[in-house]
Amino acid sequence: DTGVSQNPRHKITKRGQNVTFRCDPISEHNRLYWYRQTLGQGPEFLTYFQNEAQLEKSRLLSDRFSAERPKGSFSTLEIQRTEQGDSAMYLCASSLEVSPTGYTFGSGTRLTVV
Amino acid sequence: DQQVKQNSPSLSVQEGRISILNCDYTNSMFDYFLWYKKYPAEGPTFLISISSIKDKNEDGRFTVFLNKSAKHLSLHIVPSQPGDSAVYFCAASATSGTYKYIFGTGTRLKVLA
Repeated sequence: DTGVSQNPRHKITKRGQNVTFRCDPISEHNRLYWYRQTLGQGPEFLTYFQNEAQLEKSRLLSDRFSAERPKGSFSTLEIQRTEQGDSAMYLCASSLEVSPTGYTFGSGTRLTVV
Repeated sequence: DQQVKQNSPSLSVQEGRISILNCDYTNSMFDYFLWYKKYPAEGPTFLISISSIKDKNEDGRFTVFLNKSAKHLSLHIVPSQPGDSAVYFCAASATSGTYKYIFGTGTRLKVLA
């Protein structure tokens, strides 16, 4: 297993366009998390899945954001009608349900909205 | 509301000396704490953890101290090495809940050769 994989690594889009990011977690991990990190800040929780069920969503996740994890494997995060304020690093992480070592993060997808 | 705070955005230390990174939290429900290390263009990687039933945990050159009454934890790196230069995040969770971690804003450590 090569760890948590995120694609694309970088995405530049025009304001108003839709974008979709993909995350492939470590195969035996049943939990998958999405975080967002902006400049000078730590990762901020967006949402998490246990298997295919989305169990919690942050208030940061507006109606323009949607995440899915079909069949409890890979996950997608879609942002509709992007705004400049959406520019950030989007981090995906996965873990077992009980994990004393926390999450394994991917390298992230950097979104720039112009 | 910033539940986990790292008040020092940056720290420079001479190689071989001790690096001390600090973290404060406000939520008394937090009972498990992690430190992550992040290099540029990579995701954060787990460094060391501590449960609230302990006040110290050691792993090689890294030691984390927890002061529950002060809601404060610190990471000590001894001796510091140039390869330790990175951004360090502390993170906290209430393990009776979701194992969702709340992260601090990070401290950029630079170890000078």
